[in-house]
Amino acid sequence: GENVEQHPSTLSVQEGDSAVIKCTYSDSASNYFPWYKQELGKGPQLIIDIRSNVGEKKDQRIAVTLNKTAKHFSLHITETQPEDSAVYFCAASDFNKFYFGSGTKLNVKP
Amino acid sequence: GAGVSQSPSNKVTEKGKDVELRCDPISGHTALYWYRQSLGQGLEFLIYFQGNSAPDKSGLPSDRFSAERTGGSVSTLTIQRTQQEDSAVYLCASSLGKRATDTQYFGPGTRLTVL
Repeated sequence: GENVEQHPSTLSVQEGDSAVIKCTYSDSASNYFPWYKQELGKGPQLIIDIRSNVGEKKDQRIAVTLNKTAKHFSLHITETQPEDSAVYFCAASDFNKFYFGSGTKLNVKP
Repeated sequence: GAGVSQSPSNKVTEKGKDVELRCDPISGHTALYWYRQSLGQGLEFLIYFQGNSAPDKSGLPSDRFSAERTGGSVSTLTIQRTQQEDSAVYLCASSLGKRATDTQYFGPGTRLTVL
């Protein structure tokens, strides 16, 4: 089955700096890669996603890149703000089965 | 409109007891997912429903776990003879179900503690 690895497990940045979270996957059949933000006591919330036929996608301060050949994808957050502090999860999907990374706890220091 | 709701929000039970966890998806969403999140870990896929049927049950950890969905809406995850390793947050998500890439909307989860 699919195996998704996510790094780093914790990330601390200064407000205004950029943050990058990286994931790798093992199954070349995976074709959809969403990213989720989870705040304490809440369920994950989709923040951006990318499909396998696209190399990069941006939405304001958030961007995701995908390298299908190397089987890795990354989340980039620019101009970080304290409200970006949360746990971020990557996931890989083939059809309707989703495999999640172990999460990155992002702390943005004011 | 209302999001995905789950009940109870917290459940404490004794080892060996059965528990039922409930998920109410967003109205009109035909796809429903169950995940398990252990402390400090990522989400582990358990089962997926399209309508009332579950095409793939391979994520269920053991035969003590079962799930059903009735009327294409509410779903119940049942854990029989609970064990301490079942302690986790159980999350439910729903989506429109028209495509595999439809956005999943998550509920707040049920925190299960097995003593």
